[in-house]
Amino acid sequence: QSALTQPASVSGSPGQSITISCTGPSSDVHGYNYVSWYQQYPGKAPKLMIYDVSNRPSGVSNRFSGSKSGNTASLSISGLQAEDEADYYCSSYTSSNTLVIFGGGTKLTVL
Amino acid sequence: EVQLVESGGGLVQPGGSLRLSCAASGFTFSSYAMSWVRQAPGKGLEWVSTISGSGASAYYADSVKGRFTISRDNSKNTLYLQMNSLRAEDTAVYYCAKEEYGDPSWFFHLWGRGTLVTVSS
Repeated sequence: QSALTQPASVSGSPGQSITISCTGPSSDVHGYNYVSWYQQYPGKAPKLMIYDVSNRPSGVSNRFSGSKSGNTASLSISGLQAEDEADYYCSSYTSSNTLVIFGGGTKLTVL
Repeated sequence: EVQLVESGGGLVQPGGSLRLSCAASGFTFSSYAMSWVRQAPGKGLEWVSTISGSGASAYYADSVKGRFTISRDNSKNTLYLQMNSLRAEDTAVYYCAKEEYGDPSWFFHLWGRGTLVTVSS
């Protein structure tokens, strides 16, 4: 099962908004509402930011939001802050033998 | 405070075995499915395995099926990953992760700090 496709990098200035895309075949992103997003700082464990496409766990800033259209899911971050600079990974349940797949990750740079 | 602490990583030769443990605290362990997710050095995340809260159901990635076994001891609040027939490509930081429900939710709500497994001769 191939990984979900994410841009290798995105960047934005403080205060701006950015969107990270996550594209997969219809057997995963399009077929199920089990898309999640994770933030990871270098050398640290990932942190859940969005689950089930658009739900935010308690404690996660409402500057983070998730959505899905067809076979592409998206993570949007508004009002960019320096602390948002990190790697972001999407994940989806899939009907293949390997039940969960991740995207390759996107490095967000805050200029 | 909810906490997950992995242990058991280290250097092992190709073909060897290793057992990872994950000690959980701060929540009712048996009520939640648990998972292992790994990350090779400088690479992305890869799901490895998930087990239901009761331990009755287990799921594996194709890359580890038949070689790895996930289990849990709810009396000890501990999750395990028995890894056999290890290969160089199994080298990674292995994270223990708590899911949202007793049955798999397919997202990982809380993560441990990870333990490094290096497979090399």
